[in-house]
Parts: sequence; C-alpha cells; structure tokens
Amino acid sequence: GQQVMQIPQYQHVQEGEDFTTYCNSSTTLSNIQWYKQRPGGHPVFLIQLVKSGEVKKQKRLTFQFGEAKKNSSLHITATQTTDVGTYFCAGQITNAGKSTFGDGTTLTVKP
Amino acid sequence: GAVVSQHPSRVICKSGTSVKIECRSLDFQATTMFWYRQFPKQSLMLMATSNEGSKATYEQGVEKDKFLINHASLTLSTLTVTSAHPEDSSFYICSASPPGQIYGYTFGSGTRLTVV
Repeated sequence: GQQVMQIPQYQHVQEGEDFTTYCNSSTTLSNIQWYKQRPGGHPVFLIQLVKSGEVKKQKRLTFQFGEAKKNSSLHITATQTTDVGTYFCAGQITNAGKSTFGDGTTLTVKP
Repeated sequence: GAVVSQHPSRVICKSGTSVKIECRSLDFQATTMFWYRQFPKQSLMLMATSNEGSKATYEQGVEKDKFLINHASLTLSTLTVTSAHPEDSSFYICSASPPGQIYGYTFGSGTRLTVV
C-alpha cells in the first residue's frame, strides 16, 4: 500500500535557527497537505500543494512539492517558540480521497 | 471556514462497555468523513472512511464489528467502540471537508478514550 515517510522524527533547535522536515511517498501523489499539531491538540491544516515543483510561502514557512510529485518539504526560517509542535505531511493519490499521513516531525525550540 | 465538532473530548469507561463518539460538520454537509486513531507520539492512522447513507470502508486490520461507524446524515458520523478493552485506549479524531473543496481536511478536536 501507499507509504509516506517523513524525516527527521525529532528536531531540536535554538530559537532563531532554521528547520526543515522532509516527506517522501512511495507512489506519485495527486496532492500533498501539511498539518501542524500542537501538544495536546488536534491537527490543523496548513497548506495543500498540487502542482509539480510548486513552492508556496506562508510568512516564515516555505512549502515545496517535488517535480515528480513524490516528495515535499516544509522549511521554517528563524524559528520561534510558537513554532513548537508536530508537523505532519499527508499525501493523497486522488483528490478528495483518503490521506496517508507521514510519521510527523516533532519540533522543539529552545528560547 | 469549515468547522468540525467532535464529542466527547475525553471519556473514561470500564472494560467491556461501549463508547460512542460523535463527529459533526457544523457549517457544511459532509458526504464523507474520516476516522483516525493516534497513539501517543505517533502518527494518525486511518481507521475507516465514513460514507453518508452507505457502509463505511474500513482499512485493513481494523475490526468493523468492534468499531461501528454510522453516517446517517450529511452532518453527523458516529464511531462506537464496542466491548472496549484497555488496548483500545487512544486518541480518536475525525475529519471532513466540504464537497468539491480540496483545501485540506478540517479535523475535530479529538476524543481521548481511556479504558480501565
């Protein structure tokens, strides 16, 4: 079945440092979504990437979708303590179909 | 924006009893909802796809007789954990998206089930 791998599992950074999490799918995706889950909370949708090679930015967050639509990355510039949480990617083979989640990357930021 | 309400947020039950969890789309109709399970510090594992007016589609390894899903209306899906055991203790989350909208799914706030 479809597998979505995400690395690293954990990342500890000093406030102000950059952070990147990577997502790889075993199959070509229709789209990929990114979610953030704060400790004790539920996943919150961040963004969806659809086009091959797409790059989207949300303030300090940059999302990329690979040319082959099998990998993606989330990069945070100059992390802040409010960035802490677990970031999940979720891939869909067909639009509006079920999503397969990566294992998540848990980010901790030291002030 | 799309809002999904999940109830209860926490429940403690005795072994052998059944627990019902509700997932409601508050401002849109959802023909499809998804039920996930999340163990501590782990990812979300899709349990089943809930389809309004028809049987749910369960993922491989998920016992349909243990995790009963009912999607009787366009705004409500329920997950009933039957004859609960301590190993069923987990965080259960539902998600949904308005039809035709592919801006990602909105998740409910989740239900933390503890079976004692």
